[in-house]
Amino acid sequence: AQSVTQLGSHVSVSEGALVLLRCNYSSSVPPYLFWYVQYPNQGLQLLLKYTTGATLVKGINGFEAEFKKSETSFHLTKPSAHMSDAAEYFCAVTSRSGGSYIPTFGRGTSLIVHP
Amino acid sequence: KAGVTQTPRYLIKTRGQQVTLSCSPISGHRSVSWYQQTPGQGLQFLFEYFSETQRNKGNFPGRFSGRQFSNSRSEMNVSTLELGDSALYLCASSEDSNQPQHFGDGTRLSIL
Repeated sequence: AQSVTQLGSHVSVSEGALVLLRCNYSSSVPPYLFWYVQYPNQGLQLLLKYTTGATLVKGINGFEAEFKKSETSFHLTKPSAHMSDAAEYFCAVTSRSGGSYIPTFGRGTSLIVHP
Repeated sequence: KAGVTQTPRYLIKTRGQQVTLSCSPISGHRSVSWYQQTPGQGLQFLFEYFSETQRNKGNFPGRFSGRQFSNSRSEMNVSTLELGDSALYLCASSEDSNQPQHFGDGTRLSIL
C-alpha cells in the first residue's frame, strides 16, 4: 500500500523566511503527486501537481515543488513566507487501484508564520 | 464555474441515528470522492464514484455507504452512528481520479 510521510507536524518560520515542507512517499512506480492547502473551516485547495515532464513544478501563491524520483520525495518550498501562508498543507500521492486512482494523503503539516 | 457544494455544513446527531450528506460536484466532473478527516487519523479515503458506479472503497465498515446520481451529485450515508464518527466529511470532484481534486468545504458531523 502507498504511504506518504510529511516530516514535521508543525513548521514555524518568520515572515520573509524560506518555507520548506517535506514529503516522502513509497512507490516504485512514478506516481501523480499533489500538494494541497487547507485553511480553517474550509476544504482543501490545490497548490500544485506533478504528473509527467519537468520535475520542478510551480504552483499558486509562489509555491513550487521538486519531484526527485531517486529520493522518492516531493518537497514544497516558497522563497519568502507571508502571514497569509499560515495553514495546513497536505501532500498526496495517487496509486492505481482497479479501474481508477486512489489518493493517499500525508498527515499534514501546519505552517506557522510569525512576524 | 461554481465549486463543489456540500450540505449541510454542520450536523449534530446522537448515537444510533443515521445521517445523509450531500455533495454537488463541479459541472462536468464525473468522479466524486468522499473523505473523513479527523485530528487523530487525518484524511482517510471513504469511496469514489464515477458515472454512478462505485470504483473504489476505503477501509470503513459497511455502515458507511454512498451513491451517485445521473447528474453526478453524490450522497453518503452513515447508519447506526457512533461517537467515533464525529469528523469533517469532505467531498471532492474531478474529471477523473488521476486529476487534481476540487474539494467542498465539508460537513462537520458531531455525534452526542
